[in-house]
Amino acid sequence: GAVVSQHPSRVICKSGTSVKIECRSLDFQATTMFWYRQFPKQSLMLMATSNEGSKATYEQGVEKDKFLINHASLTLSTLTVTSAHPEDSSFYICSARAQAGQYFGPGTRLTVT
Amino acid sequence: AQSVTQPDIHITVSEGASLELRCNYSYGATPYLFWYVQSPGQGLQLLLKYFSGDTLVQGIKGFEAEFKRSQSSFNLRKPSVHWSDAAEYFCAVGDSTQGGSEKLVFGKGTKLTVNP
Repeated sequence: GAVVSQHPSRVICKSGTSVKIECRSLDFQATTMFWYRQFPKQSLMLMATSNEGSKATYEQGVEKDKFLINHASLTLSTLTVTSAHPEDSSFYICSARAQAGQYFGPGTRLTVT
Repeated sequence: AQSVTQPDIHITVSEGASLELRCNYSYGATPYLFWYVQSPGQGLQLLLKYFSGDTLVQGIKGFEAEFKRSQSSFNLRKPSVHWSDAAEYFCAVGDSTQGGSEKLVFGKGTKLTVNP
């Protein structure tokens, strides 16, 4: 149980375009999901907390207009990187909160060319 | 504010040897503590967690960790390392006032290399 999926696993996009990443809790409902960003050989940095049916809460320094988060259902949260630039290239990981803790998705590798 | 320190960036051990990965935390109250493992290009898998009770916690894959309040530590151990344990290991602290499953603060990770 407690499986979290992400789609796509890898994406390459051109600078200036937008990319949407999906995070799904497959066998449980998650009112809260989290989005993290991980640079090469670095730790995970929390970007935002996604709450079902309400606005996401962004961490300091994260541009909410650039990283749009939508949590429209109890099993799906999406992160859209708008007007992507090469510096947005990173590994994006989501997690979903369950009673026993957080369960992480496999991550999405975004490369912006 | 919470913080986590993993002093060792990279550790190399021989297969079959014992392992200890260090983790120190800073938190005002009793913390919720976690160890996660990440294989290259993958997400995080929970190895074990400490919320309360017995300070020696058993996890998956033969790992254990001991919470030592006096040392603000939560070191991860394994008596005999297997080649498949080679990965990146992250220690994390959660906010106990929020049930431990709210925001997690991660350490910078320790990369484990296992020599045959």
